[in-house]
Amino acid sequence: AQSVTQPDIHITVSEGASLELRCNYSYGATPYLFWYVQSPGQGLQLLLKYFSGDTLVQGIKGFEAEFKRSQSSFNLRKPSVHWSDAAEYFCAVGAGGTSYGKLTFGQGTILTVHP
Amino acid sequence: GAGVSQSPRYKVAKRGQDVALRCDPISGHVSLFWYQQALGQGPEFLTYFQNEAQLDKSGLPSDRFFAERPEGSVSTLKIQRTQQEDSAVYLCASSLTGGPNYGYTFGSGTRLTVV
Repeated sequence: AQSVTQPDIHITVSEGASLELRCNYSYGATPYLFWYVQSPGQGLQLLLKYFSGDTLVQGIKGFEAEFKRSQSSFNLRKPSVHWSDAAEYFCAVGAGGTSYGKLTFGQGTILTVHP
Repeated sequence: GAGVSQSPRYKVAKRGQDVALRCDPISGHVSLFWYQQALGQGPEFLTYFQNEAQLDKSGLPSDRFFAERPEGSVSTLKIQRTQQEDSAVYLCASSLTGGPNYGYTFGSGTRLTVV
């Protein structure tokens, strides 16, 4: 069964600082990997996704993520954080192949941004 | 519509009451998912529809939970005899195709509180 671990429940950074949110997954085949962001009272917005090819994926809002198969990781990064990035971030893995792609989510990382 | 619409946004139910949660997916989207998000947790899969066919209901926590999508568009998640542990945000997501390629569009959710 697939699983996702986000080791950091809560991260605090200063505005303008760099950010890395960790994600480790467990899946027997080539995973489909996603990062979503959720603001309070809102649904999930897709930041970026990885299916194959280049292991460095660019997303919206200046975010990027790197797929490292050897480490079973898909960490999210941003070089300079803005106050509006404060939200909860979820990493998810989807079954590939002929599956319809049911997603398994991590527990989330809450990001606080200090001015 | 432009996005996935869920109603009501908030629902307070007395324990033992039946509730019905509605999801209007993006027009033309084939796939529709329901997820349950407990407080402080990531979303967990409940059920999946492809058009009107419910292809996977493995995540429904008990036989009190029932979902339908009779005409392949609007879906309703029904919970009978609600219990306190049913308190959560219920998220609906839709996708154009049956595969994971698109990363689903999520609605803002219905927050259910059982008292």
